[in-house]
Amino acid sequence: GAVVSQHPSRVICKSGTSVKIECRSLDFQATTMFWYRQFPKQSLMLMATSNEGSKATYEQGVEKDKFLINHASLTLSTLTVTSAHPEDSSFYICSVEGVPGRTEAFFGQGTRLTVV
Amino acid sequence: RKEVEQDPGPFNVPEGATVAFNCTYSNSASQSFFWYRQDCRKEPKLLMSVYSSGNEDGRFTAQLNRASQYISLLIRDSKLSDSATYLCVVNMRDSSYKLIFGSGTRLLVRP
Repeated sequence: GAVVSQHPSRVICKSGTSVKIECRSLDFQATTMFWYRQFPKQSLMLMATSNEGSKATYEQGVEKDKFLINHASLTLSTLTVTSAHPEDSSFYICSVEGVPGRTEAFFGQGTRLTVV
Repeated sequence: RKEVEQDPGPFNVPEGATVAFNCTYSNSASQSFFWYRQDCRKEPKLLMSVYSSGNEDGRFTAQLNRASQYISLLIRDSKLSDSATYLCVVNMRDSSYKLIFGSGTRLLVRP
């Protein structure tokens, strides 16, 4: 099955800086990847759908200029948190789906972002 | 009303106990259903898909009632290693793929 690799697993950054998170699909060419955010003791919330070769589709309330998504190849999507603030501190997870013969999603290991 | 609702728990049970989790979903157009397990500070991992006929995988049994829009997970003979948060997940499979997550039910299995 698909293996999704997400990097880094943990990052601490200063307020105002930008952080890039990578999501790689290792065994599957993913035309679509998904980015989620999870705050403590809350559910995963879809932020955006990353589409290879085209603009990402953002969920309501998610600022596209703040959370930049690039999906330049079938195996890599990146999420850049620009001008990070402490309230952006969260657990960010990517996923892929559509693996032939499988209906479930496969998740990256997640990135715990702490903005100080 | 939330699209996918779960009892947040926590369920605190002794080893060997049987525990059941419930989940309801609001959109009758939902087509695929899953239980995921999430350990603290980790990504969700698929526990099992849920089929209309019900399905069992070892100590785990999942049931789906489309008429009532209700999903359940039964864990028999609980192990310490079962302690985790269990996420009920629904897939709309409409024009844009979208997984809807419940907030999760936390299970604590004590010795």
